[in-house]
Amino acid sequence: EIVMTQSPATLSVSPGERATLSCRASQSVSSNLAWYQQKPGQPPRLLIYDASTRATGIPARFSGSGSGTEFTLTVSSLQSEDFAVYYCQHYNDWPQYNFGQGTKLEIK
Amino acid sequence: QFHLVQPGAEVTKPGASVKVSCRASGHSFSNNEIAWVRQAPGQGLEWMGWISVPTGKVYSSQKFQGRVTLTTDPSTITVYMDLKNLTSDDTAVFYCARHEGGVFRYWGQGTLVTVSS
Repeated sequence: EIVMTQSPATLSVSPGERATLSCRASQSVSSNLAWYQQKPGQPPRLLIYDASTRATGIPARFSGSGSGTEFTLTVSSLQSEDFAVYYCQHYNDWPQYNFGQGTKLEIK
Repeated sequence: QFHLVQPGAEVTKPGASVKVSCRASGHSFSNNEIAWVRQAPGQGLEWMGWISVPTGKVYSSQKFQGRVTLTTDPSTITVYMDLKNLTSDDTAVFYCARHEGGVFRYWGQGTLVTVSS
């Protein structure tokens, strides 16, 4: 089973600044990685898939990078609506699709 | 626009089972794969398993094998998740999601299952 580890658990950033979230896989997942955003009381929303492709309707300030075991989600200029919990998830080990434990992005 | 419709809440007792529905709206999912994800209060997302709607084949996480049953009713375009032998640790929001090759693109609003005596 591939284990996904996200860091940090909580990230405090000021609006307008850049946020960088990390996700590490216990073994290579190639580029088969997605990022999701979840706000309180809402289901997760797909942001990024294939490590770096933005989903439909996702603003350009969200970008993903990485391959193999190390991945990064960057939010270039934080808006108030971006403060939420972010999860990475791999889909390289069919049929198992595990999530990371999440990073909470909070206002500094 | 494709939507997945779930009931808002279910209440059940320890040792019992719960069957949560997930109905497609606006689009058939007869060719799709529907997954279930559990989220305990204040916790992260936990993949439980998924069902291939056209074949009925089910794949589940080892953690839930033997306790979870996924089924479909094509006549009502509904997928069901049945979880048995419930404990208080199963109190959680259960989401269904349509996945495409493992990417969870569309999500239901979630069903809060409360296990309480």
